[in-house]
This record gives sequence, C-alpha cells and structure tokens, in this order.
Amino acid sequence: GAVVSQHPSWVICKSGTSVKIECRSLDFQATTMFWYRQFPKQSLMLMATSNEGSKATYEQGVEKDKFLINHASLTLSTLTVTSAHPEDSSFYICSARDSGRATDTQYFGPGTRLTVL
Amino acid sequence: EDQVTQSPEALRLQEGESSSLNCSYTVSGLRGLFWYRQDPGKGPEFLFTLYSAGEEKEKERLKATLTKKESFLHITAPKPEDSATYLCAVNTGNQFYFGTGTSLTVIP
Repeated sequence: GAVVSQHPSWVICKSGTSVKIECRSLDFQATTMFWYRQFPKQSLMLMATSNEGSKATYEQGVEKDKFLINHASLTLSTLTVTSAHPEDSSFYICSARDSGRATDTQYFGPGTRLTVL
Repeated sequence: EDQVTQSPEALRLQEGESSSLNCSYTVSGLRGLFWYRQDPGKGPEFLFTLYSAGEEKEKERLKATLTKKESFLHITAPKPEDSATYLCAVNTGNQFYFGTGTSLTVIP
C-alpha cells in the first residue's frame, strides 16, 4: 500500500516550452500533496503544498506563475513548468500525505528528471 | 525555531561494521518522526514512522529509536546495498520538517 507514481520519469524539452508532471496516489486519497525540487547531492527543497480543491501554497522564492500546480482530485496533482529554461533543469519529486489513517505519513513518488536544452 | 538536524553528513563503513545515524529535532509539537531511504536518482522510500519516546521499529538490518529530542537509525552488520542517503523528517501537524540527510557508503 501507499504507492505514489509520477509521470513522466524523465523529460527533455526545448527552452521556452512547457512541461507537465503528474503525481498520483494509487491506493489512497491524498488531500495534500507536496512538490519538491532536488539538486545533485542536495536535500529536498519544498516548492509548494497543494490541497485538493484549493490554490497551492508556494514557498518563498518559488514563482507561482512559472510553476503551476493543480490538485483537481484526491489522487492527482500536476506541476506545470511554464516557459522552461535551462536553469529549471532539476529532479522534481512529489509526495502525497496519507492522513486518512493514524500514520499521517508522506509517501514519495519516484521523481521526474527534467532537462531543458 | 523548529528544525531537524542530521549527523553525520556522510558516513563510510566497512561491510559488517555496525553504526548509528542521528536525527535531532527541536519542534513545538511532534506528531510523528519519519525515516526515509533515498537512492541516487530516485524518490525517498519510506522506512519507519515513530510517534512517542521509547518507541522502536525494526526492518531487516535497520532499527529506529526515538527519544524526546532525537532519533537514531541503527544499522547492524551493513551490506553494500545499504549504501544510500537516509533522510529524517518530523511532522508537527502543521508542517513537515526535513533534515539534510546522511549519505551512507558501505564498502565491501
């Protein structure tokens, strides 16, 4: 149980294009999902918290117009990197909060490697 | 200020050499402490949740313990496949706080 998937697992795009990353909780409902960014050999950096049916809460320094987050259902959140540039190249990881049980634990997806040329 | 600190940053062990990783925390209220394992290029894999001081959880060669100020992840007789970054996180109910991780390398 508690499986989170991400799609795609890797993507290469040209500068100026937009990329959408999907995060799904496969066997539980997640009212809250999180989006992280991770640079090589560094820890997770929280970008935003998304709650189903409401606007995402972005961390300081994260451009909400550049990183669009939609959490339209209890099992799906999407991150769209708009007008991507090489500096947006990174490893993006989502997690889903399973608060339906007593454990209240975050479970992570496998990550998406984005390379912008 | 709520924070989570992990030590050491990096640890190299010989195969079979047991050791412990530390996660110390100062938060206003603990609703759970979590350990994750992360392999390069992958998302963190959930290992354990601990809720109260004195609690212990085990999985294969790993054992996690919790006190009121810190948690330890004990690795008994590690194998090369245990090499990974181990992350600790704390849930205060309002927010999750992550440590920066301990990079473990087990040498055959």
